[in-house]
Amino acid sequence: ETGVTQTPRHLVMGMTNKKSLKCEQHLGHNAMYWYKQSAKKPLELMFVYSLEERVENNSVPSRFSPECPNSSHLFLHLHTLQPEDSALYLCASSQETGGTEAFFGQGTRLTVV
Amino acid sequence: GDSVTQMEGPVTLSEEAFLTINCTYTATGYPSLFWYVQYPGEGLQLLLKATKADDKGSNKGFEATYRKETTSFHLEKGSVQVSDSAVYFCALSSAGFQKLVFGTGTRLLVSP
Repeated sequence: ETGVTQTPRHLVMGMTNKKSLKCEQHLGHNAMYWYKQSAKKPLELMFVYSLEERVENNSVPSRFSPECPNSSHLFLHLHTLQPEDSALYLCASSQETGGTEAFFGQGTRLTVV
Repeated sequence: GDSVTQMEGPVTLSEEAFLTINCTYTATGYPSLFWYVQYPGEGLQLLLKATKADDKGSNKGFEATYRKETTSFHLEKGSVQVSDSAVYFCALSSAGFQKLVFGTGTRLLVSP
């Protein structure tokens, strides 16, 4: 039990579909993150939320739209994705102080067909 | 910008062999350093960390020492087990705001 829960664990979607990934943390953390993990590539930081405000967007295409309604929940809304967007999407949370670790969810394996 | 460099994998070892996975970093200031492990089909789990120079992180028989002079944080274990087979990620975070920068990961395969 990592304290960070992601749903669904697996998702297959067509390029014209709209879907959402959900992340929930009960650790009392105030920062949450979306990462993309593709085969043979480093983990890519996509979005960072601190105290429910987006503080970083690493040049992510607009077909990915994050939402952070409160400090415990984070969503990633997906629409008109491409096959190259197929990857493992990882959510993480942390306290916003230097030196403390991030806790990760188990990820959502996304396949775009 | 900050970066982490890890040795290419896979690393293939027999059970009870000695493990070293090299990690070097580039960062401004004094980052915290981490090793994360990812087992098949799972997310990342923190394995160990060190927050200042000369600190040694340790957990489950794994160790890594924060070497500022060589900007390194090599992971070691004296005797690996089959259950240690996983992908290991070295990472750093800059002081003041938690934002992890990861290496590319090193896959470890341990055979009986």
